[in-house]
Amino acid sequence: EVQLVESGGGLVQPGGSLKLSCAASGFIISGSAMHWVRQASGKGLEWVGRIRSKPNNYATAYAASVRGRFTIFRDDLKNMAYLQMNSLKTEDTAVYYCTRLLSGGFDPWGQGTLVTVSS
Amino acid sequence: DIQMTQSPSSLSASVGDRVTITCQASRDISNYLNWYQQKPGRAPKLLIYDASNLETGVPSRFSGSGSGTDFTFTISSLQPEDIATYYCQQYDNVPVTFGGGTKVEIK
Repeated sequence: EVQLVESGGGLVQPGGSLKLSCAASGFIISGSAMHWVRQASGKGLEWVGRIRSKPNNYATAYAASVRGRFTIFRDDLKNMAYLQMNSLKTEDTAVYYCTRLLSGGFDPWGQGTLVTVSS
Repeated sequence: DIQMTQSPSSLSASVGDRVTITCQASRDISNYLNWYQQKPGRAPKLLIYDASNLETGVPSRFSGSGSGTDFTFTISSLQPEDIATYYCQQYDNVPVTFGGGTKVEIK
């Protein structure tokens, strides 16, 4: 079964850091761009960023709201993607999903991991 | 950034009704447009990719059309299990952007 599973969410104070992990199974991520998308409670979907594959030089891109604070990286040997979040703000509170870009659409999606930034 | 304007933000329809959602891009995105379904507490699910292609396993009552800046998503005969929020998404360029969502309810 093709699956993504996120982990690493939790409660963190403003200004803190958190690292999210995304484990893939049933497929190899090395040929795919991996994206992160978040959703605040009761709100819509917000793209966070992406990392492309090795042939595309692992190029990254980020939403303006997280640029300079968040970093996406990947370990193709472990079939994992990661989201390092620094200088967290209360407005970063959301469910964070990892997903794969496949033939134009995002599929599959993980179940999401909740990040709560609060003092 | 490309803005995606989705309408309506919510709708209520009867079982068996035809439901149409529109999405307008702020500039030409060719056919780089996807549609997702999200049920409460669940991750989004890809329904339509590249504007009009039905994802494998998705019922044929779902369809999409359009290119350039104007796109349409249709449920030909609304079923109770279709209650969800639907999102359009462009991937022509980064940042990837989503429409605001359409919440579909049963009347």
